[in-house]
Amino acid sequence: AQKITQTQPGMFVQEKEAVTLDCTYDTSDQSYGLFWYKQPSSGEMIFLIYQGSYDEQNATEGRYSLNFQKARKSANLVISASQLGDSAMYFCVMRETGRGTYKYIFGTGTRLKVLA
Amino acid sequence: GAGVSQSPSNKVTEKGKDVELRCDPISGHTALYWYRQSLGQGLEFLIYFQGNSAPDKSGLPSDRFSAERTGGSVSTLTIQRTQQEDSAVYLCASSPGGRGNTEAFFGQGTRLTVV
Repeated sequence: AQKITQTQPGMFVQEKEAVTLDCTYDTSDQSYGLFWYKQPSSGEMIFLIYQGSYDEQNATEGRYSLNFQKARKSANLVISASQLGDSAMYFCVMRETGRGTYKYIFGTGTRLKVLA
Repeated sequence: GAGVSQSPSNKVTEKGKDVELRCDPISGHTALYWYRQSLGQGLEFLIYFQGNSAPDKSGLPSDRFSAERTGGSVSTLTIQRTQQEDSAVYLCASSPGGRGNTEAFFGQGTRLTVV
C-alpha cells in the first residue's frame, strides 16, 4: 500500500493565484512528521515546510502553508500568490518516528506550472 | 562542509562495469540516506544509516547494490555489474537523526548513465 499519495501528476496555476497540492498519507504510527520539498528543473531538493503529527496548528512558512487534517490523514500544501519561480516538482514526504523506520518516504510528486 | 556533497556529479559507465558513488554528509549528522530518482519520477528509498546501528537496506533493488558508511561519516554506494536500468540520479541526504523531526538535507546528486 502506498504510504504517501499525491493524486495530481500535474497542475497549472495563474501567476498571483493560490494553488493547493494534495497529499494523503497512511500510517499506524502516532508520531510522524510531514514535509514538503520542491525540486526545480535544476534538480536540487529544497525543503519548504514541516508539520508534526502532534502539532495542533497548521504550519506556515511565508507563502507556504500546510493544511493538516489529521483525521483524514491529509497534508495539503497551499501556495499563495504564485510566482513564476514556483514552477517545479513538489513532493510530499512522511517520516515515521514512533515504531516506524525513520526513513523519509516520498510521494510520486506533483509538477506545478505557473502561467504568466 | 556546509552542505551534503556528492561525487562525481556525473558518471557514464559501460554496462557490466562497477561504479562507486560517494556522499559526504553534513558534519554532525548521524543519519544518512541514499535515494534513486529515475527521470521524471519520485524518489525511491535505497538504504539508511543511523549512527552505529545496522543499516536499513530494505530498499536496495538487488544484491548488485551495496553501501557502506565509514567512521559514521562518508558513505559509498557501490553498484556492481551495472545495467542500463540502473541509469538514474542517485541522491544522498543527511539529517541529525533520531526521533527529532527535522528535514533531510540533500546533495546535488550523481547522474549515472549506463551505456
